[in-house]
Amino acid sequence: NAGVTQTPKFRVLKTGQSMTLLCAQDMNHEYMYWYRQDPGMGLRLIHYSVGEGTTAKGEVPDGYNVSRLKKQNFLLGLESAAPSQTSVYFCASSYGPSTLSSYNEQFFGPGTRLTVL
Amino acid sequence: AQSVTQLDSHVSVSEGTPVLLRCNYSSSYSPSLFWYVQHPNKGLQLLLKYTSAATLVKGINGFEAEFKKSETSFHLTKPSAHMSDAAEYFCVVSPAGRRALTFGSGTRLQVQP
Repeated sequence: NAGVTQTPKFRVLKTGQSMTLLCAQDMNHEYMYWYRQDPGMGLRLIHYSVGEGTTAKGEVPDGYNVSRLKKQNFLLGLESAAPSQTSVYFCASSYGPSTLSSYNEQFFGPGTRLTVL
Repeated sequence: AQSVTQLDSHVSVSEGTPVLLRCNYSSSYSPSLFWYVQHPNKGLQLLLKYTSAATLVKGINGFEAEFKKSETSFHLTKPSAHMSDAAEYFCVVSPAGRRALTFGSGTRLQVQP
């Protein structure tokens, strides 16, 4: 199993350009997540999905869109990139949400380092 | 609302000495608590988790953490540091039944030879 994979690994954009980050998982997980990691701030949730065809906003959704057309894929789009979106982006997936009696571990991809000039 | 505070942004220890990474949390509900580790240019890996079972939790690579409700703390420890432990460590909280994880700002552990 490859687990969670992300493409591309690195990307440099100019302000105003658009791009799509792809996340794929082969664990048949229902839940998928996109986070961004900035220095000194830990990871913050951008958007998430609880199943194929569903998406929801996280903590910092502005400037991003997502789609979950297939269960195994979760796409993150930047329509008009801004320097404030320079960050490392992590995708994660889990079987389900956490409950009082169990935790469904989130498995993380290796990250995409995005620079917007 | 929930939040997590990692009290040290950098910790430096010598190889073979104990490691202590400190974490305090606040949560309106009974939380689940975790420690994740991130090695340079790698994704995050779950070290250990607390989900209202035993308060002393053992994780991978010799790490353990103790949940102290009275102190709202979940500090990470290891008796003897190894060079391969050098990484960034994140304390994470998730209120019961919630999907979202709230991450601390991270502690960078440096291990000196």
